[in-house]
Amino acid sequence: NAGVTQTPKFQVLKTGQSMTLQCAQDMNHEYMSWYRQDPGMGLRLIHYSVGAGITDQGEVPNGYNVSRSTTEDFPLRLLSAAPSQTSVYFCASSYYREGNSPLHFGNGTRLTVT
Amino acid sequence: GQQVMQIPQYQHVQEGEDFTTYCNSSTTLSNIQWYKQRPGGHPVFLIQLVKSGEVKKQKRLTFQFGEAKKNSSLHITATQTTDVGTYFCAGRNDRGSTLGRLYFGRGTQLTVWP
Repeated sequence: NAGVTQTPKFQVLKTGQSMTLQCAQDMNHEYMSWYRQDPGMGLRLIHYSVGAGITDQGEVPNGYNVSRSTTEDFPLRLLSAAPSQTSVYFCASSYYREGNSPLHFGNGTRLTVT
Repeated sequence: GQQVMQIPQYQHVQEGEDFTTYCNSSTTLSNIQWYKQRPGGHPVFLIQLVKSGEVKKQKRLTFQFGEAKKNSSLHITATQTTDVGTYFCAGRNDRGSTLGRLYFGRGTQLTVWP
């Protein structure tokens, strides 16, 4: 099982550039989410989805877009990167309809915006 | 809004000493999960508590869920260097507009000195 696959592992962007962080899972999980992790701030929820075609905002959604066209994929788009978006990004998924299911995390993407 | 507060933020212990981290929620949770993140790694699921007053053990780790389902704790007995990492609690609120969201505490970073 591949689990949750995130690409790329590392990325350096210049301010104003755009990019998409990819996330794919092969566990048929309904719930997918994106977190950013900054020192001392823990894991902050950016966007999440409870199924294909359904997305919602988390705690820190500004500057990020998501879509969920398939169950497997949940890409995170940065339309115009800013230095404040320098962070480690984690994608995570779980079953949802079963209610109480643990999150499976990807290995993370370390993003630096200069 | 929903918040999960976790203390302490940092804890340094001598190997063999005990360690406890605490989580408190502003609202009643349907369940609480605990994760461990090793340095440079991604969060990994440890356990889930669902019932009021529930206590679960995993070897030297003891997890508790409060009677009101608003607080939880993780206690490690006789810490070892392999316990090093950041421990996160995460609570789920399955009501209203935030259905399905998982709220993470900021984590407790544990350092164990040999």
